[in-house]
Amino acid sequence: DAGITQSPRHKVTETGTPVTLRCHQTENHRYMYWYRQDPGHGLRLIHYSYGVKDTDKGEVSDGYSVSRSKTEDFLLTLESATSSQTSVYFCAISEETIGNEQFFGPGTRLTVL
Amino acid sequence: QKEVEQNSGPLSVPEGAIASLNCTYSDRGSQSFFWYRQYSGKSPELIMFIYSNGDKEDGRFTAQLNKASQYVSLLIRDSQPSDSATYLCAVNLNDYKLSFGAGTTVTVRA
Repeated sequence: DAGITQSPRHKVTETGTPVTLRCHQTENHRYMYWYRQDPGHGLRLIHYSYGVKDTDKGEVSDGYSVSRSKTEDFLLTLESATSSQTSVYFCAISEETIGNEQFFGPGTRLTVL
Repeated sequence: QKEVEQNSGPLSVPEGAIASLNCTYSDRGSQSFFWYRQYSGKSPELIMFIYSNGDKEDGRFTAQLNKASQYVSLLIRDSQPSDSATYLCAVNLNDYKLSFGAGTTVTVRA
């Protein structure tokens, strides 16, 4: 998984509780991304980062916030989890190459009851 | 209209045959194109990317790009049971974000 880890790998939580997912990379790549994957929707971008403290919204950012205080770590926070946020969350990284290809972490399966 | 469209499948092919997957995209400004393979319960794995019109071959995989017609395809030659997976097409505009199709599920039957 290209030097990318995600924690936790599985989490079950209750509606209304805060949840933080962590993505850690050892590749020193500039760009980091959070996606969610749901049946029938493919991968959808939640937020991304183009450097330390530099982040921007993706197509499904409502209800999510992110932070990147170090190059290697990108945190995704659900301030108050809802059942619609039950999903598999993937982190990805990329660098400034010709193709800008992205490499994915192992994923976190989140269930909100 | 979705930015990236793929046939959801499932696409069933016999072992040893060629599997052909297609992907169309809506934005003519798209610069580079990717194929990812995703096994059930696993993360997407990059298998090919292409940014010039024409064909690009890597082992049993060939990516074909036609920017005028706005499609990109993936051919898997000599399909093996281990090729059974979902294949995701992704398109990159002139920035660092990707748009993904919903994926095509391929089943290779022995």
